[in-house]
Amino acid sequence: EAGVAQSPRYKIIEKRQSVAFWCNPISGHATLYWYQQILGQGPKLLIQFQNNGVVDDSQLPKDRFSAERLKGVDSTLKIQPAKLEDSAVYLCASSTTGGAEAFFGQGTRLTVV
Amino acid sequence: QKEVEQNSGPLSVPEGAIASLNCTYSDRGSQSFFWYRQYSGKSPELIMFIYSNGDKEDGRFTAQLNKASQYVSLLIRDSQPSDSATYLCAVNNNDMRFGAGTRLTVKP
Repeated sequence: EAGVAQSPRYKIIEKRQSVAFWCNPISGHATLYWYQQILGQGPKLLIQFQNNGVVDDSQLPKDRFSAERLKGVDSTLKIQPAKLEDSAVYLCASSTTGGAEAFFGQGTRLTVV
Repeated sequence: QKEVEQNSGPLSVPEGAIASLNCTYSDRGSQSFFWYRQYSGKSPELIMFIYSNGDKEDGRFTAQLNKASQYVSLLIRDSQPSDSATYLCAVNNNDMRFGAGTRLTVKP
């Protein structure tokens, strides 16, 4: 069974530029999560989807971050404009349902300079 | 605010010893609890999950849950140097929140 796929693996951008990350969850997984993990910290939940609906986006900085999961499968996370403090690893995870164990992709390491 | 608290460590144990990792959470409605292991530069990988009060054993790992005390722990028996990693506690009540993680070092 294929795991969670994310791209790109690495991205370096200048502050005020925009960037987008892509995630393809495990087939059949209805729940998809985006996390931000800053070095030395635990993953911080940015947004959770159940199929193509948003379950929780309370910690998403909506002035600059946006995410969508239009067909209930793939998802994209966008940052526009990026700030230096956005430098982190962005992790996508998926699970069969909202209460089940989640499986992570390899992450995208973003560096904002 | 849903909080998940862990001792950041580092926790150092000798090879063969028992490592004990602890986690407390604030959301009393939480239903499912997870322990993930994260090696440096890698993504979190699931070790165990527990849904009911009590103990759950899987090989060298035992998860313990006490919902009344809002406490979940992970015991690693016969610790090996390969167990050296950061251990993340995750708590789920319609959304999955993580603690900051505890860094464990197992010394040969």
